[in-house]
Amino acid sequence: AQTVTQSQPEMSVQEAETVTLSCTYDTSESDYYLFWYKQPPSRQMILVIRQEAYKQQNATENRFSVNFQKAAKSFSLKISDSQLGDAAMYFCAYISTVNNDMRFGAGTRLTVKP
Amino acid sequence: KAGVTQTPRYLIKTRGQQVTLSCSPISGHRSVSWYQQTPGQGLQFLFEYFSETQRNKGNFPGRFSGRQFSNSRSEMNVSTLELGDSALYLCASSLAVAGGVNEQYFGPGTRLTVT
Repeated sequence: AQTVTQSQPEMSVQEAETVTLSCTYDTSESDYYLFWYKQPPSRQMILVIRQEAYKQQNATENRFSVNFQKAAKSFSLKISDSQLGDAAMYFCAYISTVNNDMRFGAGTRLTVKP
Repeated sequence: KAGVTQTPRYLIKTRGQQVTLSCSPISGHRSVSWYQQTPGQGLQFLFEYFSETQRNKGNFPGRFSGRQFSNSRSEMNVSTLELGDSALYLCASSLAVAGGVNEQYFGPGTRLTVT
């Protein structure tokens, strides 16, 4: 069974600085998708960024980028120029192309200090 | 397009009662998944429905059940409520296109408190 591990329960970053959130996963499949979701306090979960496993190029969405290392099964999220609005719970997620069963990591709570 | 909606947003029930939660997916999305979110266990997958059929199921007791209607709307039912069922229940919908990128879009959740 696929598992997703986020080893950092909490992270803190100074406003305007850069922070990297870690995620590793375990799978025997070769084709899958990876996502980072953001859940602000008492607000809806939203998709931050996605990565197709067959693509070698790392995905980028404005200030958010990933470092996807397929062989190492690692999928970290880098947030540049951190803003107060980035404070949230961040979840790494994996989904197989075979089924629609999405697996989530335990989450990393990001605090942004002004 | 309207997002995923869930009703009710908040619910308080007593142990032993049953509860039904509702989820309306984004128009055109055929897959609906349900998750239970608690501080201790994180996000746990309950089940996924596609074209009115349960396609995947997580590791939850039979007290947790669901269904999907022909318009893709889904309901989740929990019978004989226990204190440990207190959680945020999230619904997510996706296009579920074969071979496509099926990211899930989440609703705001239903906060269930069991007393």
